This record gives sequence, structure tokens and C-alpha cells, in this order.
Amino acid sequence: AQSVTQPDIHITVSEGASLELRCNYSYGATPYLFWYVQSPGQGLQLLLKYFSGDTLVQGIKGFEAEFKRSQSSFNLRKPSVHWSDAAEYFCAVGASGGYNKLIFGAGTRLAVHP
Amino acid sequence: KAGVTQTPRYLIKTRGQQVTLSCSPISGHRSVSWYQQTPGQGLQFLFEYFSETQRNKGNFPGRFSGRQFSNSRSEMNVSTLELGDSALYLCASSSRTSNTEAFFGQGTRLTVV
Repeated sequence: AQSVTQPDIHITVSEGASLELRCNYSYGATPYLFWYVQSPGQGLQLLLKYFSGDTLVQGIKGFEAEFKRSQSSFNLRKPSVHWSDAAEYFCAVGASGGYNKLIFGAGTRLAVHP
Repeated sequence: KAGVTQTPRYLIKTRGQQVTLSCSPISGHRSVSWYQQTPGQGLQFLFEYFSETQRNKGNFPGRFSGRQFSNSRSEMNVSTLELGDSALYLCASSSRTSNTEAFFGQGTRLTVV
């Protein structure tokens, strides 16, 4: 069955430090992968997506992610974190079957210390 | 281009009542999906509609239903509300039939008392 694992429930970093959020997926074919961010009480905002091609994808707000098929991973990175990046981050995979359905990980809550 | 609009933003209902939530997708998007978000279960897929047809449904009881209109607006209905139905309900719209990004609304926060 398709699934997404985000091993880190909470991460705290200092402002200006680099960030890497981990995501592992289970999927039989080439996955469609996404990272979303959610501020408290808000909806989800798409940060970036991977469908095919270059395995390093750039997103909004200075985020990037790297698809590694051999490790079934799609980790999100940012070289220098800003206080406004504090939020919850969700990794998702598009389910197979010919329709629009996302399978989400449990999320990683990011705190940023000044 | 306007984003996905969900109404109402907040709702308080009593156990046993029913509720209807509304979602207007991005103009031109014909696929609308619904998700339930709770602290315990995370984000779970409820169902997806495309061109007024429900194409897939998640593992939720029959009390959860939905529909889509010819203008792609969608509603979801929950009957006989239970305390456990308290959640953030998120609607997402997509431009293609499958395997494309979903754009989410702000959600409707439902509290059942």
C-alpha cells in the first residue's frame, strides 16, 4: 500500500540555520511527490512538486527538495531558515488509480528560535 | 485568479445534527477533493469529484457524502454528527484528471458539541 513517512514530528532550528525535513514514501511506480506547508488554522500551501525529470526541484520561499529513488526519499531543504518559516510541513504522494488523491505523511512541526 | 474558497470558515454544531460545507474551486478546475484533518488521524482523503461524478471515496462512514455541481462547486454533507467529526475540513481543486498538484482552501473548522 502507498504510504508516506515523516520520521520527525518536531524540529527546532535557529534562525539562519539550514534545514532538512525528511520524507520517505512507499510506492510501486514513479511517484508524484509534493511538499505542502500549513500555518496554524490555515489551509495547505504547495511548496514544490516532483513529477519527473531533474531530481532536484526548486520551490517557493527558497525551498528545494531532492528525489532519491534508491532511498525512496524526497527530503525538503532550505539553506537559511527565517522565523516566518515556522509552520507544519507535509510530504505527500499522489495515489495511483487515475484520479486526484493525495496520501499525506503525519507532518513535521518546525519551530524557529531567534 | 481567485483561489479555492470554502464556506463557512467556522461552524459549531450539536451531536446528531447535520452540516453542509461548501467549496468553490479555482476557475477552470473540474476536480474537487475533500480531506479531513484531525490531530489524531492527520490528513485523510474523503472523496474526489470530477465533472459531477464521484470518482473515489476514502474510508469514511456513509454519513459523509458529497456532490458536485455543473459549475464545479462542491458540497460535502455530514449527517448525524458525532463528537469525533470535529475537524478541519479541507477542499482542494486540481486542473487535470489525475496526478497533478492540488490547491487547497483555507478549510472549514467544524466543532461538534
